[in-house]
Amino acid sequence: GQNIDQPTEMTATEGAIVQINCTYQTSGFNGLFWYQQHAGEAPTFLSYNVLDGLEEKGRFSSFLSRSKGYSYLLLKELQMKDSASYLCAVRDSNYQLIWGAGTKLIIKP
Amino acid sequence: IAGITQAPTSQILAAGRRMTLRCTQDMRHNAMYWYRQDLGLGLRLIHYSNTAGTTGKGEVPDGYSVSRANTDDFPLTLASAVPSQTSVYFCASSARGGEDTQYFGPGTRLTVL
Repeated sequence: GQNIDQPTEMTATEGAIVQINCTYQTSGFNGLFWYQQHAGEAPTFLSYNVLDGLEEKGRFSSFLSRSKGYSYLLLKELQMKDSASYLCAVRDSNYQLIWGAGTKLIIKP
Repeated sequence: IAGITQAPTSQILAAGRRMTLRCTQDMRHNAMYWYRQDLGLGLRLIHYSNTAGTTGKGEVPDGYSVSRANTDDFPLTLASAVPSQTSVYFCASSARGGEDTQYFGPGTRLTVL
């Protein structure tokens, strides 16, 4: 079967750095997405990786290793507004998105 | 402001009733999707449409139907609601189908009693 694994919850301190991991086993691979979802709101697109390596976008970076079935989202200089759930999703061989359950990130002052 | 709208925002429904969730996008995206999101589970695809006039089944299609009469609208119908359909429903769209990033509507919170 297809599976996306992420930690359920993480806690970090304002101003610090946090890394949210995602491992996947899917039927085929056509890219990996990270979305941010604040409580009670819609998911919003953060990043996309299809080749191995690091993609940097401001305070957020996303890394992919296809051989290891692994990705991480790195958030730097954490702000209180970064408190949200972070969803990892993999596009499979049918170009359907397979979603992880999300990681709830709690930022403490 | 361009984007996706969903209606209603929330709804409480008696079991056995019929309900249609509405979704409209003004981005001229070809593909549209319906997901449900339940606590502790990832988003699960219910139905999708790669272009107007076509639809397909996702991971959890039973008890739901969709239509895509035009580019902008993609309604989701529950023919006879059951309590297990209590969930938050998100509509999404992408420009060209599976190849592109999906953008989400604000969601509909549905409770079936």
